[in-house]
Amino acid sequence: DTAVSQTPKYLVTQMGNDKSIKCEQNLGHDTMYWYKQDSKKFLKIMFSYNNKELIINETVPNRFSPKSPDKAHLNLHINSLELGDSAVYFCASSQGGGGASYGYTFGSGTRLTVV
Amino acid sequence: SQQGEEDPQALSIQEGENATMNCSYKTSINNLQWYRQNSGRGLVHLILIRSNEREKHSGRLRVTLDTSKKSSSLLITASRAADTASYFCATGPNQAGTALIFGKGTTLSVSS
Repeated sequence: DTAVSQTPKYLVTQMGNDKSIKCEQNLGHDTMYWYKQDSKKFLKIMFSYNNKELIINETVPNRFSPKSPDKAHLNLHINSLELGDSAVYFCASSQGGGGASYGYTFGSGTRLTVV
Repeated sequence: SQQGEEDPQALSIQEGENATMNCSYKTSINNLQWYRQNSGRGLVHLILIRSNEREKHSGRLRVTLDTSKKSSSLLITASRAADTASYFCATGPNQAGTALIFGKGTTLSVSS
């Protein structure tokens, strides 16, 4: 009955590999987000989808590609992983047509470590 | 770009004391939100205050917003050890197609 669930919780991989993180929400929210939290706990928006449509695409290397098969799912695929990609990645969802007018519900995060 | 700046960066208090955290921001906002993050966990939404509101309460939490000074404060009264966490303010820009912008957070330690 988890509201926003991410898998996997931990991901350790070698440089150059390709990996995916999955996110699902059962709240009926229309908008989903990917945030990256660095080692200093700074959270930065990466992408946002509203009803399967990409509405925010921040300055993120094009090795990162989000995919939203339906409004309840938002996955993040990362190609050619680099050491600097090591971080905690959070998925979130909210009501509304995108933007920041409502509170967000966050998943528990995926800790990615690139070695 | 980063919008909110929390102050202090770290705060240590005893159980039963009040904890006050401040947040300053730079641009026009639609609302300001506070979140809590326990170690190794996701963020939990605590409270949202809209730009036309000045004060809001939720249980032991009190949030104020001063749009003229572009600042907000979060007061946790009668703190408990379980309040130990990082607290983030996040601003909702007054612009369509945007997402919450988070500050760097205040780390609160409550000792018993």
